[in-house]
Amino acid sequence: EAQVTQNPRYLITVTGKKLTVTCSQNMNHEYMSWYRQDPGLGLRQIYYSMNVEVTDKGDVPEGYKVSRKEKRNFPLILESPSPNQTSLYFCASSLGWGGSRNTGNSPLHFGNGTRLTVT
Amino acid sequence: DAKTTQPPSMDCAEGRAANLPCNHSTISGNEYVYWYRQIHSQGPQYIIHGLKNNETNEMASLIITEDRKSSTLILPHATLRDTAVYYCIVRVSGTYKYIFGTGTRLKVLA
Repeated sequence: EAQVTQNPRYLITVTGKKLTVTCSQNMNHEYMSWYRQDPGLGLRQIYYSMNVEVTDKGDVPEGYKVSRKEKRNFPLILESPSPNQTSLYFCASSLGWGGSRNTGNSPLHFGNGTRLTVT
Repeated sequence: DAKTTQPPSMDCAEGRAANLPCNHSTISGNEYVYWYRQIHSQGPQYIIHGLKNNETNEMASLIITEDRKSSTLILPHATLRDTAVYYCIVRVSGTYKYIFGTGTRLKVLA
């Protein structure tokens, strides 16, 4: 089954303890992205990746790192989590841009989310 | 930046058509309109997308106005399972950023 898999689904941690949220897709998608969702703020992009070894910042990258060493995996790393990073996180992927860098219409496929609580 | 505006909430009777509007007056010529829905706190689920022609799939229909400044998602026969938050989004021209607004919370009533 084509899917985006995130782990873990729930995570409670303490301030400053490094953590990694994994994301994997089995659709051979080029594009992957991380979002966080907070009440009243909708979904905001943290980082995205156009392909292996190509990553860039989204709207709210502070406090996060990512890597894209393989096409299927795009882990989100919090080196020193803080309580303001308590949120619901989603990973998403899409096929790519179908040719032109400024066009393309492949929809995003989302994982089921990771609810992170930092105390 | 491209921006979408949706009503915060709507009700629809079960079995009736649900028509969800979206304004995207700043959309540029090569930007697609996408619709997603989110049930509780699950990952957003893709529904449909379009550029300028009306589109239909097994889930819904998408009507885009000729000037492309607004669109309507139509769920032809709403069921209780269609209760969700529906997002109309566009991709910001020249970037890889999707703008999600706060969506429309659709409640289907028995």
